[in-house]
Amino acid sequence: TQLLEQSPQFLSIQEGENLTVYCNSSSVFSSLQWYRQEPGEGPVLLVTVVTGGEVKKLKRLTFQFGDARKDSSLHITAAQPGDTGLYLCAGARETSGSRLTFGEGTQLTVNP
Amino acid sequence: DAGVIQSPRHEVTEMGQEVTLRCKPISGHDYLFWYRQTMMRGLELLIYFNNNVPIDDSGMPEDRFSAKMPNASFSTLKIQPSEPRDSAVYFCASSTYTDTQYFGPGTRLTVL
Repeated sequence: TQLLEQSPQFLSIQEGENLTVYCNSSSVFSSLQWYRQEPGEGPVLLVTVVTGGEVKKLKRLTFQFGDARKDSSLHITAAQPGDTGLYLCAGARETSGSRLTFGEGTQLTVNP
Repeated sequence: DAGVIQSPRHEVTEMGQEVTLRCKPISGHDYLFWYRQTMMRGLELLIYFNNNVPIDDSGMPEDRFSAKMPNASFSTLKIQPSEPRDSAVYFCASSTYTDTQYFGPGTRLTVL
């Protein structure tokens, strides 16, 4: 059973389009992180959200943590080919120590 | 800092052989994590250490897998004997007592 469900699994869009990736769970997380992974490399942290309802912006990327801290979304405005990669959400639970649970990822391809 | 260092970057071996993957965490980080990534199962936590002590090894697939951390700057993940289904990318990550994990570049293992 996947604790964190990401959708969509695959997304192919044209440069300049907007997109939203979702990360959902039935469990409450103390914090949620978004990573981006490029081919041949390890995941790199983009952002951490810790407060229900929190919104964080990173240039054209907007991250939101659900009010109940069970879900999160990543919105990219005017996507560029450089945004191509695997986007992973990861949740931390207070009962799990330093352990993170990762979603399956969303493979985003932005075509020029 | 050089970041998390993993070796080798690629390993091709035959079924039944012993495989040893190596990791050097970021200096000063007291948590070390071993993950496995496949298309089918995504990123899975195998084991993690705190101050060189294994804390949670519930993700280790079976007795063929073992991990050690003899000191704060070195860890190994050993598979003996290896099987084709062990083929995957293995990542090492390190952190301080925060949720931010820093990943190495991974070792791509192919077992023929």
